[in-house]
Amino acid sequence: ETGVTQTPRHLVMGMTNKKSLKCEQHLGHNAMYWYKQSAKKPLELMFVYSLEERVENNSVPSRFSPECPNSSHLFLHLHTLQPEDSALYLCASSQVGRELGELFFGEGSRLTVL
Amino acid sequence: AQSVTQPDIHITVSEGASLELRCNYSYGATPYLFWYVQSPGQGLQLLLKYFSGDTLVQGIKGFEAEFKRSQSSFNLRKPSVHWSDAAEYFCAIAKDNYGQNFVFGPGTRLSVLP
Repeated sequence: ETGVTQTPRHLVMGMTNKKSLKCEQHLGHNAMYWYKQSAKKPLELMFVYSLEERVENNSVPSRFSPECPNSSHLFLHLHTLQPEDSALYLCASSQVGRELGELFFGEGSRLTVL
Repeated sequence: AQSVTQPDIHITVSEGASLELRCNYSYGATPYLFWYVQSPGQGLQLLLKYFSGDTLVQGIKGFEAEFKRSQSSFNLRKPSVHWSDAAEYFCAIAKDNYGQNFVFGPGTRLSVLP
């Protein structure tokens, strides 16, 4: 496989469930990101792991919990979500420290919270 | 703070017609500049990028963009649109090569008439 792979592509969960989104990058990059894409809103950066350091985003509710066990894998753990959390969650990776390391995106995980 | 505006929410063009999508940014210096495209149900794909040098940048799928410092603009153009170009287009800027500083515009949806 190449590029950035996200699973599952679609997820439906109740407000009391616990689930996780998974992202894997095969590009040898050293930074990974979670973005939230909601209808009629710009892309929102949720979390960044860059050079093995997590960059906090204080505006993200604690019901979202990221995990980055190594430079190739990134998870987003979800618990007690709200219906307004329904969105497309995009994972991306990049090479930081080099000149102009653009973001490479996965195809996204479409989350629906009932 | 950095910001990106895309004045056109939705544009419709006929197949074979020329296309220009507008992007304006606000930043104290010259940022890194990007255009991404997102087809329905997919992640974002990089079309082109600019960081220095020639202000006219060529990208994939026949797209080009021109950086105009005096207008803080980075408009995307294509001389002849194909039906497969129907998608959402995002302009983005970054002040450095550390991904947490990417800022995306709200996007422009392109429809193509046969």
